[in-house]
Formats: sequence, C-alpha cells, structure tokens
Amino acid sequence: DQQVKQNSPSLSVQEGRISILNCDYTNSMFDYFLWYKKYPAEGPTFLISISSIKDKNEDGRFTVFLNKSAKHLSLHIVPSQPGDSAVYFCAASGNTDKLIFGTGTRLQVFP
Amino acid sequence: EAQVTQNPRYLITVTGKKLTVTCSQNMNHEYMSWYRQDPGLGLRQIYYSMNVEVTDKGDVPEGYKVSRKEKRNFPLILESPSPNQTSLYFCASRLAGEPYEQYFGPGTRLTVT
Repeated sequence: DQQVKQNSPSLSVQEGRISILNCDYTNSMFDYFLWYKKYPAEGPTFLISISSIKDKNEDGRFTVFLNKSAKHLSLHIVPSQPGDSAVYFCAASGNTDKLIFGTGTRLQVFP
Repeated sequence: EAQVTQNPRYLITVTGKKLTVTCSQNMNHEYMSWYRQDPGLGLRQIYYSMNVEVTDKGDVPEGYKVSRKEKRNFPLILESPSPNQTSLYFCASRLAGEPYEQYFGPGTRLTVT
C-alpha cells in the first residue's frame, strides 16, 4: 500500500514559469514532510521540509504547502530554471522515525 | 567534505554470485540505511541501523543482509543475487534524533543476469 503518492510521473514547464509538484498521503500519523531532489547519477539531496504544525514553508524560490485536511502537500518553484530539471521525491515521517518516499516526479524546465 | 560514499558505483554480476556493496560516511552519523530505487516504486528502504551492532529490517529486506561493526560503515550484502535485485541502490545516513534530513550516497547501479 503506497502511503505517499505522487500521481504525476512527469511535468514540463517553461523557464520562468511556476512549477507545482503534488504529493498525497494516506497516513494521518505523518507529522513531517520533505522534498528531495535527484539529478541523474547522483543521490537524492534534501530540498525543503515542513512540519505538520505549519501550512507553509518558504526557502527562496521553493515553497512547500501542506493541507492536512486533504492530506496533500505541494512544492512550488518560482521562477523555474533549467537547473531545476530533476526528479523530485516527496517523503513523510511519523512516529516510527522512518521516511516513506513517494514514487517521484520528473520535472523538465525548458527554455 | 561531509559525504556518504558507496562502492562500486556500477556492478554487473551473475545470479548466485555473492557480492557486497560498501557504504561509508564521515559525518559521525548514528543512523544509516539502504534503499533501492525502482521505476514506478520510488525509494524503498531495505535495512537500517540505529547505531553500531543495531540493525533492523526495512520494507523490502528479503535477499539482503547488512552489518554495522563500525559507526562509519554499513555494507549491504547479497548472498545469492537474483535478477529481481537488479536496481539502483542508495545508502543514506543521518544524526539520531534528526529523522528527516538524510544524506544520500551517489548510488550503486546493480545488474544481475
């Protein structure tokens, strides 16, 4: 059973526009959520996170929004840049102290 | 430089030939884990270790073994590899009490024929 879902396997966005990556989860015990970014031939790197006590966290061009009632979070990248082209993984953690990852969304930012 | 290293980065082997993928971190992290990444399945945890001599199964432990004799090293052992273990493997580490920001190695692409 996939507890963390990223229903869009890929997304293509023009440079300068907004990229919105979505993630849904099923376990109401999750209390911390993260986004990781992965380039080809590299390991995932931490991008941004949000605690369940917040509904928004911003870091430069990256903002994560959390809607607990809908069990949904999203990552906004504004403005999108070609260097943002990568696979983005959503992950969640609860009282088990373990990270559960989604299946990933491949973002392509074209000029 | 703080990092997680894995070796080898690429490996092609045959069914049944035992292999070990090494993982080492220089950040004095207590927690280490192994993941595999497969298309459409994301990252799934194989095994993890909370500290030296403490290991436990993740979500997909079948066919794998691990050991944690030293804090910095966490090798992944495939005693008898099979084709369904063809995958991209990542080692990760983090501080205890910081369950979220894991640091990943560069990955090992394993092909079992």
